[in-house]
This record gives sequence, structure tokens and C-alpha cells, in this order.
Amino acid sequence: GDSVTQMEGPVTLSEEAFLTINCTYTATGYPSLFWYVQYPGEGLQLLLKATKADDKGSNKGFEATYRKETTSFHLEKGSVQVSDSAVYFCALSVGAAGNKLTFGGGTRVLVKP
Amino acid sequence: DTAVSQTPKYLVTQMGNDKSIKCEQNLGHDTMYWYKQDSKKFLKIMFSYNNKELIINETVPNRFSPKSPDKAHLNLHINSLELGDSAVYFCASSQVTANYGYTFGSGTRLTVV
Repeated sequence: GDSVTQMEGPVTLSEEAFLTINCTYTATGYPSLFWYVQYPGEGLQLLLKATKADDKGSNKGFEATYRKETTSFHLEKGSVQVSDSAVYFCALSVGAAGNKLTFGGGTRVLVKP
Repeated sequence: DTAVSQTPKYLVTQMGNDKSIKCEQNLGHDTMYWYKQDSKKFLKIMFSYNNKELIINETVPNRFSPKSPDKAHLNLHINSLELGDSAVYFCASSQVTANYGYTFGSGTRLTVV
């Protein structure tokens, strides 16, 4: 079946540090890939997505590139802020109507001033 | 206007009770979902409906029964609540396929005592 594996957290960083969260996947077909962010006490928000190989998704300074050869979709940000403290989820969807998002286990990121 | 709204936001109830969580979306999406998030932040799909038709029904106890009166609403009724049902329940919606990603509600934190 389809699955997503993320690095376990928590990841603790200082402000302005570089952030990388690794994400790899297995999929029965050709997936679309997503990163979602969950701030404390809130629902998940779509951060960025990519729908085909070599696409780069970007938003709010975050980037991730769809790497089919390594089945990866690592999230990066060059300079984090305290407000980036949240749980980040990698996810994929495969197929057409009636499909679903499959999520990784989430990575908690804590940015200290 | 809230795109996907869930009520209530918090629900504390005793074991054995029956409770319902309501979800409404005003995005014109065709598909709606229920996910359960456990204490470790792991997200697991429970159900999905496409235009009032049940599409996905994962391995969920029969005590959980979704109802979709129209494509803008997907409610979740839970009978005979158990301690293990304590979690955050998220409603989400998408266009026909999940390949464009979901829009999530803010969640309902259910605590069974």
C-alpha cells in the first residue's frame, strides 16, 4: 500500500537556522505530494504541493522538490522564525476520484529565539 | 466565512454516551472526509463521502456512523463512547479527487471520561 515516512521529531532550532525535514514515500501509482502544517490547537493547513517529478512547491519561504528517483519530498526553509514552530506533515495522494491523502507521522519543529 | 466548520470544538463526555460531531463546507467541494488524530499526532482516515455516497470506510468500529445529508455536510455519530475514542477528529473536504489537497476544519477534541 501507499505510505509516507518522515523523520521523527522534535526538531529544535534557533531562529534564523536552516530547516530540513526529510520525507520519503512508497506509492502504488504516480502520486501527488503535499506538505501540511499544524499550528498548536488548529487544523492542518496546506503549505505546498507538487504534482509531478522535478516540480518544486514553495510557500512562505518553504520549498520542497518532487524527486521521483529517490521517492522523496524533503521540506526546507533557509531561515526559520519562532512563528514556524508547528507540526509538519508530509502526505501523498494517488489515483483519481475516490482517493485519499495518506499522511506521514508528523514532525514537530520548535524554534527558539 | 469559514470554509470547513466543525462543531463542537470541544466535547467532554462520559463512557457509554452517544455523541455527534457536525461538519459543513462552503467550498462547493464534492468529497468530504473524517480523520482521527491520536495523542501522538498520527492521522488516520475513517470515512470519505463523494456527493453523499460513501467511498472510503476504513477499519472503524460499527459504533462510528457517518451521515451525509447533502454534499456540503458530513456528520459523525458515535455510539457507546469508550475511553479509546478520545482524540481530535478532523473533517476535511476536497474537489472530486484528493490530488488537489484537502481543506481541513479546525478539529473537535473529544475527551471520554
